[in-house]
Amino acid sequence: KQEVTQIPAALSVPEGENLVLNCSFTDSAIYNLQWFRQDPGKGLTSLLLIQSSQREQTSGRLNASLDKSSGRSTLYIAASQPGDSATYLCAVSRGNQAGTALIFGKGTTLSVSS
Amino acid sequence: GAVVSQHPSWVICKSGTSVKIECRSLDFQATTMFWYRQFPKQSLMLMATSNEGSKATYEQGVEKDKFLINHASLTLSTLTVTSAHPEDSSFYICSARASGGLRTDTQYFGPGTRLTVL
Repeated sequence: KQEVTQIPAALSVPEGENLVLNCSFTDSAIYNLQWFRQDPGKGLTSLLLIQSSQREQTSGRLNASLDKSSGRSTLYIAASQPGDSATYLCAVSRGNQAGTALIFGKGTTLSVSS
Repeated sequence: GAVVSQHPSWVICKSGTSVKIECRSLDFQATTMFWYRQFPKQSLMLMATSNEGSKATYEQGVEKDKFLINHASLTLSTLTVTSAHPEDSSFYICSARASGGLRTDTQYFGPGTRLTVL
């Protein structure tokens, strides 16, 4: 059974810091991995999607890496801003087929102070 | 970008009543939709997979007679929480898997429905 773990559960940093969020998964047979952002009481915003054949994806100040064989992914946020404060969720596809459901981690709640 | 809507966005009901939540893909067809729920400070947990024109597949521990899912068209899936109780209070989120075209197999999430059962 696939399990997704995110460390740390919570993180507080001052504005401007670079930071890394970690995600690990137990079964390497995945189709893709996604990082989402969730604001309190809101839905999900997709940040980055990495296919199983890829090593990383970048979007603006965000960079996500994937090491499928070791079951790890990291989300790197450069020059953090107060607007980055949110919960970040990591999710992997259930199985290595396209279009399957996602298995989510519990998230890392980030607080960036000004 | 692709849009998935949910209605209602929030609902408060009395214990014992039934609540229907709609999930619509607005600009694409979705043969498969997924229903998740999220309890406070917890992650999203898959409840069921909804396939257009066939019965839904439920995850272990999810009562199919309590959470009725209907996927009657390629753009609409509904989740009905029957005889809701306070422990059903949660945030329900759907996602739709695009079928065909450039977006095929991409999943898009709805904004969620907050259910509070008194």
